[in-house]
Amino acid sequence: EAQVTQNPRYLITVTGKKLTVTCSQNMNHEYMSWYRQDPGLGLRQIYYSMNVEVTDKGDVPEGYKVSRKEKRNFPLILESPSPNQTSLYFCASSLTGPNTEAFFGQGTRLTVV
Amino acid sequence: GDSVTQMEGPVTLSEEAFLTINCTYTATGYPSLFWYVQYPGEGLQLLLKATKADDKGSNKGFEATYRKETTSFHLEKGSVQVSDSAVYFCALKGPPGGSRLTFGEGTQLTVNP
Repeated sequence: EAQVTQNPRYLITVTGKKLTVTCSQNMNHEYMSWYRQDPGLGLRQIYYSMNVEVTDKGDVPEGYKVSRKEKRNFPLILESPSPNQTSLYFCASSLTGPNTEAFFGQGTRLTVV
Repeated sequence: GDSVTQMEGPVTLSEEAFLTINCTYTATGYPSLFWYVQYPGEGLQLLLKATKADDKGSNKGFEATYRKETTSFHLEKGSVQVSDSAVYFCALKGPPGGSRLTFGEGTQLTVNP
């Protein structure tokens, strides 16, 4: 089954404690990205990757890091989480190009206290 | 830069009512347009898309027409069901590159029996 898998689904952590949210896709997609979803703001892109070892900032990259060492994996790293990073996070993947469908993971609900 | 504006929500309808969710966009060139749906507790999934002016996307009784002259992509359904209750996102992919999705704020739809 074609899918994007994120883990964990729910996470509560404390300010400053490094964490990683994993994302994996099994569709051999080149393009992967991370979004955060906040009420009234829709989805905003954090980082994206056009292919292995190629990553770039989206609209709200501050406080986040990513890596793309393998085509299927695109982890999101918060090295020193703060309460303003409390949000719902989605990973997505697609083939490159303007007409292609993006596939989304089920989301990670992160709370930073 | 590219942007998408959706009608303010939430929207509450009775079963079998007619649905319209307005979406307008600003983009350079000719973007591809999408509607994504997010059911409770799930990630986003593609509902329909249109890739050029005057195209009509349709799926599951939903329709939207790409109107270049009014830069709009309004979502419609003639008779909604309780199972249509979800959050609906309008989005675009614009040149150059064309892989990045820009989302609207999302519209929460609740359909009552």
